[in-house]
Amino acid sequence: AQSVAQPEDQVNVAEGNPLTVKCTYSVSGNPYLFWYVQYPNRGLQFLLKYITGDNLVKGSYGFEAEFNKSQTSFHLKKPSALVSDSALYFCAVRAPTDSWGKFQFGAGTQVVVTP
Amino acid sequence: KAGVTQTPRYLIKTRGQQVTLSCSPISGHRSVSWYQQTPGQGLQFLFEYFSETQRNKGNFPGRFSGRQFSNSRSEMNVSTLELGDSALYLCASSLNNEGQETQYFGPGTRLLVL
Repeated sequence: AQSVAQPEDQVNVAEGNPLTVKCTYSVSGNPYLFWYVQYPNRGLQFLLKYITGDNLVKGSYGFEAEFNKSQTSFHLKKPSALVSDSALYFCAVRAPTDSWGKFQFGAGTQVVVTP
Repeated sequence: KAGVTQTPRYLIKTRGQQVTLSCSPISGHRSVSWYQQTPGQGLQFLFEYFSETQRNKGNFPGRFSGRQFSNSRSEMNVSTLELGDSALYLCASSLNNEGQETQYFGPGTRLLVL
């Protein structure tokens, strides 16, 4: 069975500082990994995904994520956070063998960026 | 290309009533998945439809049901509403919901059960 964990309920960071949101996963085989962001009273917006290849994936709004197979992690990063990055972030995983299967979402991490 | 749309955006019902939510996927997408989001339980998978057939189902009671039409639009129905059904209901569409495909989410329908 696949699972994903986001160990931090909330991350606080000052505007202009680096932002990291952690995600670890458990899945058989090589995973497909996704990051989504949710603003208040909105649906989830896709940020980026890792399928194969380069371990550093670049996505929307200046976000990037690094896939680390040995640590089974897929942390989301942004070099310089903005107040507008304050939102709820979800990591999701799908096993490549789980064709047309559901995504497994993490519990979410609330990011608060202070001016 | 238009995104995933959901109607209505907000809904207030009372216990015992039933409700129908609608989702129109991105044009060309044949898979529609439904999720329930609550503060306590997070995102929980309800079911997934592909070409008018339910392919996957989460662990929800039979009061939760859905269907998909030939144009890929999907509806979700909840009968005999309970207070605990208050949630944000999200639908997501993808081409075939396979492997590396991304699921694209609608804005959600916020349901309040009184």
